[in-house]
Amino acid sequence: RKEVEQDPGPFNVPEGATVAFNCTYSNSASQSFFWYRQDCRKEPKLLMSVYSSGNEDGRFTAQLNRASQYISLLIRDSKLSDSATYLCVVPGGSGNTGKLIFGQGTTLQVKP
Amino acid sequence: DGGITQSPKYLFRKEGQNVTLSCEQNLNHDAMYWYRQDPGQGLRLIYYSQIVNDFQKGDIAEGYSVSREKKESFPLTVTSAQKNPTAFYLCASSMPPIKEAFFGQGTRLTVV
Repeated sequence: RKEVEQDPGPFNVPEGATVAFNCTYSNSASQSFFWYRQDCRKEPKLLMSVYSSGNEDGRFTAQLNRASQYISLLIRDSKLSDSATYLCVVPGGSGNTGKLIFGQGTTLQVKP
Repeated sequence: DGGITQSPKYLFRKEGQNVTLSCEQNLNHDAMYWYRQDPGQGLRLIYYSQIVNDFQKGDIAEGYSVSREKKESFPLTVTSAQKNPTAFYLCASSMPPIKEAFFGQGTRLTVV
């Protein structure tokens, strides 16, 4: 099993739609999780941090399911500007070594 | 302004040459990371350092070398042993063990 795994998509949705991405991780000892957004040919930028069961910021909600070892990102009322790749990050990886492990990313295309 | 600075933004290398990518941060972060990203792919960890004068190999360290002589600096050398070095290289820093990472703007390396 990969340390961090995401459905690469692409997810093609119309403006205003609600879309959800999942990310599974293998290290049950991980305590924190992050979602990053990456635009084409740019560096990743932090979108949300998840330290407990979940986090909400405007149209974005992240939820953590420790029992099943996955985190999800929900985007409501999608905008054209939400089109990007969303990266799931789990610090520590296997054995909690302190390294940051990225999923391969999920691509979202929001259409007019 | 606090942040991470990578230079150069674009770099061209002849086959058989070593090149060094610069990464400097003034965020007072202990941990620094180097990632490689190929087109349409996720981020793969090359090397990481949690403290000055110490660093660990990531998943794809072969053909690369690093040093961490100062807290602020974590240069990456792409050696001639790296057979396919053309990629987008991203440097990041964080306060471990559970804090989010911040990225530089990246260096695009092309072998000519």
